Amino acid sequence: EDKVVQSPLSLVVHEGDTVTLNCSYEVTNFRSLLWYKQEKKAPTFLFMLTSSGIEKKSGRLSSILDKKELFSILNITATQTGDSAVYLCAVNSGAGSYQLTFGKGTKLSVIP
Amino acid sequence: GAGVSQSPRYKVAKRGQDVALRCDPISGHVSLFWYQQALGQGPEFLTYFQNEAQLDKSGLPSDRFFAERPEGSVSTLKIQRTQQEDSAVYLCASSPGQAYGYTFGSGTRLTVV
Repeated sequence: EDKVVQSPLSLVVHEGDTVTLNCSYEVTNFRSLLWYKQEKKAPTFLFMLTSSGIEKKSGRLSSILDKKELFSILNITATQTGDSAVYLCAVNSGAGSYQLTFGKGTKLSVIP
Repeated sequence: GAGVSQSPRYKVAKRGQDVALRCDPISGHVSLFWYQQALGQGPEFLTYFQNEAQLDKSGLPSDRFFAERPEGSVSTLKIQRTQQEDSAVYLCASSPGQAYGYTFGSGTRLTVV
């Protein structure tokens, strides 16, 4: 059974701090790893990673994948209160239907 | 439309009642997925459509759950004889193809009382 584990489950930081969120996975037929931000109900797409060692960057957010060690990290620099959300990691195992297997998420709270 | 639209936003059902949840995907998106998200958990896969064909329904928790997408656009998730454990947010997502990230709708929060 495909498995995605995120850590920490929750995190409280002050504005301006840098955070690193972790995601490890065990899947039978890896295709891609995706990160989403969920503030209320709709997860919002952040990154899709398919190759090891290539950093994807968008503003203050960046992410990288290690396919040998089966994990990914999501970094957020100079955090702002608007970064407060649940960050979800998901793996597409390509098992026919391209369904995503999600972790439980990391709840990030950024306080002023 | 510009995004994935789901209705209703909230639904309260009495135990044993049937419910129907609607998803209107982004126009032209071939792939459509339904996920169930319990409180404090990540979304869990329910079913997948490619156009009108339901290619995977392995995540549907019981035969009380049924999904359709008859014309390859709008999809309906039906839950018969709702139980308390069905209470969750039901998320719909669509994608233009297999190599792309999904776009999720805002979900329907179902509460069974």
